[in-house]
Amino acid sequence: EAGVTQSPTHLIKTRGQQATLRCSPISGHTSVYWYQQALGLGLQFLLWYDEGEERNRGNFPPRFSGRQFPNYSSELNVNALELEDSALYLCASSRGQQTNQPQHFGDGTRLSIL
Amino acid sequence: AQSVTQLGSHVSVSEGALVLLRCNYSSSVPPYLFWYVQYPNQGLQLLLKYTSAATLVKGINGFEAEFKKSETSFHLTKPSAHMSDAAEYFCAVSTIVSNTGKLIFGQGTTLQVKP
Repeated sequence: EAGVTQSPTHLIKTRGQQATLRCSPISGHTSVYWYQQALGLGLQFLLWYDEGEERNRGNFPPRFSGRQFPNYSSELNVNALELEDSALYLCASSRGQQTNQPQHFGDGTRLSIL
Repeated sequence: AQSVTQLGSHVSVSEGALVLLRCNYSSSVPPYLFWYVQYPNQGLQLLLKYTSAATLVKGINGFEAEFKKSETSFHLTKPSAHMSDAAEYFCAVSTIVSNTGKLIFGQGTTLQVKP
């Protein structure tokens, strides 16, 4: 089966711009998660979507937002980009909401802010 | 609050030697536990998971981990390291109560394998 796919692979923006990152989950997976992996900060939970609804968000400002579409794909939007938003953004998916279901990750989108 | 501690940010072993990567968790209730591996410029790949079944868990690529409740540990081992095992390894936990959806990750351990 195809894994989690993310696009684009790399994205270069300048301060103040807006970025949109996309994620397609594994077929049959309804939950999608977003994480930020910034240098020196480790992996930080951003957002969780399931069945089209936002279920939880991490400790990030409101300019980080997203949505999940009827086909379970998702996009992450980051507005008013700041230099510290430079990071690898990882999307993961799981089969359902149960916490014993492992999250499967894509290869990420590298966002660079100039 | 749950937390994960990975002892040793860098571990270096010789090819063919035992690999031991340490993970300790802090949780009032034993959580579900996962090990992931990240190769350069890639995402995270699931190695294995503990979800309240057998305490000794076998994963992919010859890795295994043992859940020890008394020690709140979930260390990752491999009997014989290969050069291809060089990567960053992350231990993660998720709660079995009040589902938040998030995995809490340790800070990661970079494994170096010397020829």
